Amino acid sequence: QVQLQESGPGLVKPSQTLSLTCTVSGGSISSGGYYWSWIRQHPGKGLEWIGYIYYSGSTYYNPSLKSRVTISVDTSKNQFSLKLSSVTAADTAVYYCARITLSGWVDYWGQGTLVTVSS
Amino acid sequence: EIVLTQSPGTLSLSPGERATLSCRASQSVSSSYLAWYQQKPGQAPRLLIYGASSRATGIPDRFSGSGSGTDFTLTISRLEPEDFAVYYCQQYGRPGYTFGQGTKLEIK
Repeated sequence: QVQLQESGPGLVKPSQTLSLTCTVSGGSISSGGYYWSWIRQHPGKGLEWIGYIYYSGSTYYNPSLKSRVTISVDTSKNQFSLKLSSVTAADTAVYYCARITLSGWVDYWGQGTLVTVSS
Repeated sequence: EIVLTQSPGTLSLSPGERATLSCRASQSVSSSYLAWYQQKPGQAPRLLIYGASSRATGIPDRFSGSGSGTDFTLTISRLEPEDFAVYYCQQYGRPGYTFGQGTKLEIK
């Protein structure tokens, strides 16, 4: 059973960089066959895909966030990470890490972590 | 970007009734790349349907998906108390992903 667990600060100051890590267990990122992704959900709102990384390091980001997003992978630790720069209150959300099949659906989700942007 | 519009925004039904949820795309979506999720308060979404009509592992057969092109439907044949939640459709439009805004299924 694949499990994903987000970790990182729950509070970030405006203009700073949000940094989260997702630790994967029960499956190996380096096995390939899946995209490792970040998805967020603003309080009381719908879901927004942020971007993904493949085990090889290739990435694709949501065009609306592309200028501020970096997703990286550490296959030795079976982790992948999100950095979102120049955050504002509009980036306050629950951030989920997730595994996406090559056919496009999310088959495993982390439990989510709330990140609040506030001074 | 493909926009997914779900309707209705809120659906009020009683246990035992049939629920029909709609997801309309702004452009044609390959059926292979349309999925449905269920989300309960405080939880991550859960995959229900992939490829427009295939049930995910462990999903009861009262859940079914259908549709093609720009119009897709999630049907719950007989509502159980645990089915009251928010439902999202999602498409994979190489190489990005978008979600609908959700339909809240509430107890009448």
